[in-house]
Amino acid sequence: NAGVTQTPKFQVLKTGQSMTLQCAQDMNHNSMYWYRQDPGMGLRLIYYSASEGTTDKGEVPNGYNVSRLNKREFSLRLESAAPSQTSVYFCASSPGQASGNTIYFGEGSWLTVV
Amino acid sequence: GQQLNQSPQSMFIQEGEDVSMNCTSSSIFNTWLWYKQDPGEGPVLLIALYKAGELTSNGRLTAQFGITRKDSFLNISASIPSDVGIYFCAGQRTAGNMLTFGGGTRLMVKP
Repeated sequence: NAGVTQTPKFQVLKTGQSMTLQCAQDMNHNSMYWYRQDPGMGLRLIYYSASEGTTDKGEVPNGYNVSRLNKREFSLRLESAAPSQTSVYFCASSPGQASGNTIYFGEGSWLTVV
Repeated sequence: GQQLNQSPQSMFIQEGEDVSMNCTSSSIFNTWLWYKQDPGEGPVLLIALYKAGELTSNGRLTAQFGITRKDSFLNISASIPSDVGIYFCAGQRTAGNMLTFGGGTRLMVKP
């Protein structure tokens, strides 16, 4: 049971480089999310997609873009990486906002920007 | 944005001891969730609470939805080494709203 799969697991970037974090879920969930986790800050929502074809900003969207490629996949792009974007990134999915919010998380992507 | 105040930030306890942690908010939440994150993994849902005053158990874990709807508590009884990890609370105002997470409680258990 794969659940939520995100890649890469680890990445080191130089300031100004771009990269895309990939995420896929096999649970036929409608909603998908990208969070970042920083020490002592808990999980903060970057962007979410309530359903296929829609995306919305979360709490900390600056410096990121997202694409809901299809129902399964939701990617996060850093166009010009900055050291402040060094963090652990989690993709997540849930059946749908109207179905309650049992959110399932991926294993995380550790990103370091130098 | 809205933050949940989770305490303590970290705990270092002896195996077999009981553990208590809590989350408080200045505003009301209608759903409280507790997650555990193992090292190198994503958070996993432990307990979900949907009603003020609700007390729910999952094995050695017990969580309560505060009467005021502004707080929630998680207790772990007879801790074991595999309880090590970061515990997060999360609140949701209404169905369809995003979750707001607490800062986490890092639990360390000494065998």
